[in-house]
Amino acid sequence: DAGVIQSPRHEVTEMGQEVTLRCKPISGHNSLFWYRQTMMRGLELLIYFNNNVPIDDSGMPEDRFSAKMPNASFSTLKIQPSEPRDSAVYFCASSSATGTGYTFGSGTRLTVV
Amino acid sequence: DQQVKQNSPSLSVQEGRISILNCDYTNSMFDYFLWYKKYPAEGPTFLISISSIKDKNEDGRFTVFLNKSAKHLSLHIVPSQPGDSAVYFCAASAGGNFGNEKLTFGTGTRLTIIP
Repeated sequence: DAGVIQSPRHEVTEMGQEVTLRCKPISGHNSLFWYRQTMMRGLELLIYFNNNVPIDDSGMPEDRFSAKMPNASFSTLKIQPSEPRDSAVYFCASSSATGTGYTFGSGTRLTVV
Repeated sequence: DQQVKQNSPSLSVQEGRISILNCDYTNSMFDYFLWYKKYPAEGPTFLISISSIKDKNEDGRFTVFLNKSAKHLSLHIVPSQPGDSAVYFCAASAGGNFGNEKLTFGTGTRLTIIP
């Protein structure tokens, strides 16, 4: 298995632009998590899905952030419009009910200038 | 409100000695705890875990201790090796050892092993 695949690895965009981050979870995993890593807050949970259904989006910072999981093999996190304070590393992780912990992707480093 | 706290942003330890990383939590509903290790430009990887019904779990050079009354856990690495240099995240779940439960992470501790 190729693991959790995130794209792009790096994204540099201008303030006000729309940004879309993508994630392909491990086949057979039925939960998907989006986290954001910052120095001040560590790894913050933004949203997670079970069986493609959003369960908890209380960590989504503002209405500018949205996430979808149209099927079991794909999820997106969209920021529109982006702001400099959104600059961070965004991680996607997936898991199964019988597993221990998550498998993380390599992350997307987002820089908004 | 940081429910999982790692108060030491960094730690340096001599190769061969013991590394002790600490973690405190505030939510008494947490019943399962994990440690993740992260290298630069990679995602965190699972290292070791412990259920709240135990106070110690050991896996090779890694041991996690849990003190429920103090809401404190620690990760011991002995002996420390250069490859252990990484950022270590403490995480907690309120749903037991079920892979679908959300994890609350701390801010991480950067461990540097000095050769």
